[in-house]
Amino acid sequence: QSALTQPRSVSGSPGQSVTISCTGTSSDVGGYNYVSWYRQHPDKAPKLMIYDVIKRPSGVPDRFSGSKSGNTASLTISGLQAEDEAAYYCCSYAGTYTWVFGGGTKLTVL
Amino acid sequence: QVQLVQSGAEVKKPGASVKVSCKASGYTFTSYDINWVRQATGQGLEWMGWMNPNSGNTGYAQNFQGRVTMTRNTSISTAYMELSSLRSEDTAVYYCARGFWSGFYSPFSYWGQGTLVTVSS
Repeated sequence: QSALTQPRSVSGSPGQSVTISCTGTSSDVGGYNYVSWYRQHPDKAPKLMIYDVIKRPSGVPDRFSGSKSGNTASLTISGLQAEDEAAYYCCSYAGTYTWVFGGGTKLTVL
Repeated sequence: QVQLVQSGAEVKKPGASVKVSCKASGYTFTSYDINWVRQATGQGLEWMGWMNPNSGNTGYAQNFQGRVTMTRNTSISTAYMELSSLRSEDTAVYYCARGFWSGFYSPFSYWGQGTLVTVSS
């Protein structure tokens, strides 16, 4: 199972919006609505930000939104804040009771 | 509150095995799957496998088939991940993670603090 493809890095200024893509195949991202996104600050455990493509756990600001088109899922963060600077990982169900993560994207808030 | 507390850092020689524990509290241990995810230094997350603590059923990522074993002790609400035939590339932080809800398709909403496993001769 190959890792999902994410850009290595993205950046934006405070208040701006950024979108992080996550490209897979019809066997994972495109085949199921089980895509989640995690934020990870350095030396910390990941935190769930989006699940089931578009849903937000309670406590996650509505600045975070998810979407999917075909084999590509996306995470959009609007109104960038300094605390958003972190690594972001997508994760998708890949069939036969397996999961696959993306390679991760480093978000820099300029 | 839900907590997953993992065992401490380990240093192992190539070819050895390591067993990492994940003690759950704040919920009914047998009601939620436990997944294991690892992260090599400066690298991304890699899903290793899952275990249903009620049935003991497991599923492993292809990359780890034959080398990983996930077990549990329900009497002490603890899950274990054992990785054998260690090589330097297995040096990583290993996390246990619990689902948001009961069932396999749940995202991982609760994470342990991570256990650093270093493989070095």
